[in-house]
Amino acid sequence: DIQMTQSPSSLSASVGDRVTITCQASQDISNYLNWYQQKPGKAPKLLIYDASNLETGVPSRFSGSGSGTDFTFTISSLQPEDIATYYCQQYDNLPRGFGPGTKVDIK
Amino acid sequence: QVQLQESGPGLVKPSQTLSLTCTVSGGSISSGGYYWSWIRQHPGKGLEWIGYIYYSGSTYYNPSLKSRVTISVDTSKNQFSLKLSSVTAADTAVYYCARENYGSGKAYFDYWGQGTLVTVSS
Repeated sequence: DIQMTQSPSSLSASVGDRVTITCQASQDISNYLNWYQQKPGKAPKLLIYDASNLETGVPSRFSGSGSGTDFTFTISSLQPEDIATYYCQQYDNLPRGFGPGTKVDIK
Repeated sequence: QVQLQESGPGLVKPSQTLSLTCTVSGGSISSGGYYWSWIRQHPGKGLEWIGYIYYSGSTYYNPSLKSRVTISVDTSKNQFSLKLSSVTAADTAVYYCARENYGSGKAYFDYWGQGTLVTVSS
């Protein structure tokens, strides 16, 4: 199985700050990576697919980059409604695998 | 707008079989280009992919659960189902059904059910 890691596991930032989360795969997954946002008590929501493509309707302050084993997710200007846990997910191989998540809070 | 809704018992006794159904509305489960998946989340933890089924009935299960999992589909009812046998407290989790949209090199979970908490306890 492909193992996914994320860092940090949690972070606290101020409104307007730039927030960056990294995701690493245990082997080359090309750009076969998605990012999801999960708010408490809710199902995850797709934000980014194919490592860098913004899902329709998702604000442009969210972005993703990377390929191979190292990926980055960025919120360019953190908003109060962005409080959530963010997960990366690989689809290069079966079984599908998610990273452990990064919890984002407002300072 | 596609919607998915999980249903089933919220409490299951240890050693019994957990059974959940996902009803799909706003679209046909028989449409090609989608895998119909089950994903679970232990309380306060991350997401674990359980497996998926195609409308034709072909399946793939996470090897970590394969010996206990069965996913089936009923296209006439636009539903797919999960059975997890010999459950223990470690199977207590929120269970989500989700649609995996694939094609042209892409695959992502674009629609999810709201999730249903299943507790394993006597």
